[in-house]
Order: sequence, then structure tokens, then C-alpha cells
Amino acid sequence: GESVGLHLPTLSVQEGDNSIINCAYSNSASDYFIWYKQESGKGPQFIIDIRSNMDKRQGQRVTVLLNKTVKHLSLQIAATQPGDSAVYFCAEITQGGSEKLVFGKGTKLTVNP
Amino acid sequence: KAGVTQTPRYLIKTRGQQVTLSCSPISGHRSVSWYQQTPGQGLQFLFEYFSETQRNKGNFPGRFSGRQFSNSRSEMNVSTLELGDSALYLCASSQFRELFFGEGSRLTVL
Repeated sequence: GESVGLHLPTLSVQEGDNSIINCAYSNSASDYFIWYKQESGKGPQFIIDIRSNMDKRQGQRVTVLLNKTVKHLSLQIAATQPGDSAVYFCAEITQGGSEKLVFGKGTKLTVNP
Repeated sequence: KAGVTQTPRYLIKTRGQQVTLSCSPISGHRSVSWYQQTPGQGLQFLFEYFSETQRNKGNFPGRFSGRQFSNSRSEMNVSTLELGDSALYLCASSQFRELFFGEGSRLTVL
């Protein structure tokens, strides 16, 4: 069949604002979640992770929230900067020993100066 | 500590040819996995190796294969290339479930 390009959700924010990127994951058995940032022409860069026994984890300027009831993850970026402009992916790993990531479709974040 | 190194970074092949991509993981990491990234399908898991054994495999045809050496370096091979194999191929090395990606090998099939 014909391949259709993924329609990436987009988020545009002003520099200094807070950003919230959302992700719905697929497998209720997943027990580890990671957020990645991918800049144009580069590989995904690890931002922050969270295990299923937690509902919130904070890093430097970033916070991840996990709602297992509705299988939802969010990434909050405080005081968003132009350098935060990128595509953000959530990924899940299902318990079972293998390091297999299942990625979401990604959200393109644009930070306007 | 050096990151994940992938070679070559860019390559162009024609249909029917085969290609081998290489990945050197972060020192001490024993797990190496491969992903294909395309605009149409996003990031998709190809396979994962741990201590020279394939531990998991994604839904790709048999033309896609890989291996891991005793020093944890890994290669993937795609035979009988098709236009649809044009993609960014990403390698990730991991330890304790934290995966770190290389910059990828961008393959164009003409």
C-alpha cells in the first residue's frame, strides 16, 4: 500500500513559556518509559525516564508525569528556550528482559524567540 | 566516555545492492539494538543483541540481519535493497535499560 507520512503533532511556544508534550502509550504491561529529544540530522537524545512505580520525576527544567490509569505520559519543559526546538518522542519498554523500545509518533516543538 | 559511534554516516546505494552498517557501543554496554526511522513509519525496532545473541527481533523481512561481536560492536546488513529501505538507521547501546543512540547512518537507495 501507499506509505503515508506521519502527521506529527506540533507545539509552538514563546521563549520563556512552559511547554507540555503529551503521549499515549500502548501497552499496559510496559514498566519503563523514556523521553527522547531529536534535533534535525541527529539521533535521539535521552532526556528523562520514569519507572511504572512512580507517577512523577523531575530533572533539570524537565518533569515527566505518568498516569497508568489512562496510559498517558507527559513531558513538561520549564522556561522553554530556542535550543529546545526539536521533535520529542516518548518510548516504552515492556517488562521481559529485552531492551526493545516502542516509540510514539513524536511531537515537533518550535520555540519562538 | 565516548558515545555510540555509527559508520558510515551517509551512503547511497542502488536497488538490488546490499549494505552493511556498523555500530560501536558505549564502552561497557553489552546490549546493542537497531532502529529504522522513516517519515512514513517513524522509529521502528529492528533487532537487539546482547552478548553476541539476538534477543529480540522486530517485524522486518529476512533481508535485514545483524550480528554482534565479542567486543559488543554490532553490524547490520540489508540485502537486495529496495527503494523503501531508504531511511535513517539508528543504533542504541544500553546498560540497565538506559538506551543511548548514535547519530545514525542515513541510507539512500536509488
